[in-house]
Parts: sequence; structure tokens; C-alpha cells
Amino acid sequence: SQQGEEDPQALSIQEGENATMNCSYKTSINNLQWYRQNSGRGLVHLILIRSNEREKHSGRLRVTLDTSKKSSSLLITASRAADTASYFCATDRGGGNKLTFGTGTQLKVEL
Amino acid sequence: DAGVTQSPTHLIKTRGQQVTLRCSPKSGHDTVSWYQQALGQGPQFIFQYYEEEERQRGNFPDRFSGHQFPNYSSELNVNALLLGDSALYLCASSLANPIYGYTFGSGTRLTVV
Repeated sequence: SQQGEEDPQALSIQEGENATMNCSYKTSINNLQWYRQNSGRGLVHLILIRSNEREKHSGRLRVTLDTSKKSSSLLITASRAADTASYFCATDRGGGNKLTFGTGTQLKVEL
Repeated sequence: DAGVTQSPTHLIKTRGQQVTLRCSPKSGHDTVSWYQQALGQGPQFIFQYYEEEERQRGNFPDRFSGHQFPNYSSELNVNALLLGDSALYLCASSLANPIYGYTFGSGTRLTVV
């Protein structure tokens, strides 16, 4: 079963705009990860944020984590057409056993 | 540095048949996990192998089985295929304690007809 949900399910923006995706989850976690998937192919790891961290940056990506609300957000700044993909959050409860994925957000960046 | 390699890329099988999917982990990784991703859904955890043993299993029937070899590569076997087994099967490798996350392969697209 899915751990939680992502919001929105789909997002369409113009190149240069910022894109924000939200993820909610249900249980306590060790860390939360964001992945990108192009056209139903493999997942690309974007960023990992630990439960004791509140914000993390990587290039044009900014991730926040609010463990009290069991939610996370991914911000992509100055989006490009190449950012068009599906984005998934995944939670790791620790023990190195498995990831539990959300339902994904489909992002379309138009020229 | 080779990432995770999965084979085959695509596969078409008939209901009732058996299938074997293969995965070679990223160099330096010793743990392999398998996920099933139905169309329009997030990946679902099938099982994970470490030191040639199944370490944890998701909610999948016994028709799904696996193996890990001494070189850390892994196979996923599915018996008595059902139409509902049609999906993208993803392999992910990591360290035993995946503090840096997982590396996914490009997947095997299985179609059951």
C-alpha cells in the first residue's frame, strides 16, 4: 500500500516558473527521499532529508520536512522543459529495509 | 561507474507462464530491492535481499520469489503469471544501511497477455 499522497497529482507550468509539490505520509520515518521518473522508466534519486532536518538544498531543488505534520515539499526553482517528469516522495522508516512511495506528481514544463 | 543494470528491458509473456528478471547492482552496493510499479501508480516494495537472504518482504504472494548471488546480483521470479502482473519491475541497489539512498535501474516492462 502507498505510504501517503502527493499533491497536486498533476502540475503544468511555464519554463522559468517555480514548481512546488507536496507529500504527506502516515507513519514515523527515518528519512524522506524524492525521486524523478521520466516516461515510466527508472527512478532517479534527487535528494534525501533526514527526520532531524527541516530543510535541504541541492542546486535548483529545495526540500522541506515537517515531521509534526508528516509532510514534505519539493520546490524546483527556475524550471526547465527537461524537468518534465513524474516526481515521487518515498519514506524510509529505518533499518534499511524498504521505501514506501507516494502516488506521484506529474510535472509538465512548457516552453 | 556502472549503475544498476536490469535485463531484459521489455518482456511479453502469456498467462500461466513463468518469468525471470535480472539485476546487477551498482558497484560497491551489496543490497538489492525489487519494486513493482503499475501504470499510474507509485512503486510497491516486493522484497529485499542482503547477504543472499531475503531480508524483508512486502505484500506479494508466494508466486513472487527471488535470489541473490555471491556477486550481489539478483533475480526476480514470478510463477503462474496473471494479467495483473503486467507492470514495470524496478530493481534498486544500496548499501546495507542506505544512508545515501538507493540507485534504481531503468526497469523491466512486463506485459502479460
